[in-house]
Amino acid sequence: QVQLVQSGAEVKTPGASVTVSCKASGYRFTTCAIHWVRQAPGQGLEWMGWINPAKGYTKYSQKFQGRVTITTDTSASTAYMELSSLRSEDTAVYYCARPYTCGIDWFDPWGPGTLVTVSS
Amino acid sequence: QSALTQPPSASGSPGQSVVISCTGTSSDVGGYNYVSWYQQHPGKVPKLTIYEVTKRPSGVPDRFSGSKSGNTASLTVSGLQPEDEADYYCSSYAGDNNPVVFGGGTKLTVL
Repeated sequence: QVQLVQSGAEVKTPGASVTVSCKASGYRFTTCAIHWVRQAPGQGLEWMGWINPAKGYTKYSQKFQGRVTITTDTSASTAYMELSSLRSEDTAVYYCARPYTCGIDWFDPWGPGTLVTVSS
Repeated sequence: QSALTQPPSASGSPGQSVVISCTGTSSDVGGYNYVSWYQQHPGKVPKLTIYEVTKRPSGVPDRFSGSKSGNTASLTVSGLQPEDEADYYCSSYAGDNNPVVFGGGTKLTVL
């Protein structure tokens, strides 16, 4: 079955960058986009962006434009999300997710989430 | 502030029905039949519960149903059960420049 496995928790200082990985299995990686969504403690879901692994095309939320970079390594069926210039408000669980129906943006499955803590 | 507006809380007794609303604009909810709903239990990953306004993924009980009227989508949970107590988030396609918007979430309490 389709499965997404994410890298482990990170602790970063303000101003640093973080990269979270998301390894996909159970389907052909290039056939479906990968999205990134984050959730701050006690808060709601926030869409960050997506990538088309086949073409490398990306689309980012305006909120994160300039600070987020999503890439893939198709040989490893892995997507990466890098967030730079971290601040305390970036403390959140970061999820990768695949569309339930490729090409349309509702998500299932989701990765288990990666907690990123930004603290001095 | 979230792009889609949901009530922060909703509640009902076991066996009752509850409706959770999700209000957007003609640029998102009202403009496309691409509304989805997610259930999230504390500390857990969101789970797709409704997609394309009314459709249920396999494994989701038919107690969950979705609808839309104008710029407002709704999730109805019928025959409430204790395990339905969770946070629920709506989401909509909002055009190529901002493809995914979420609601702020609704905490459903089963009394």
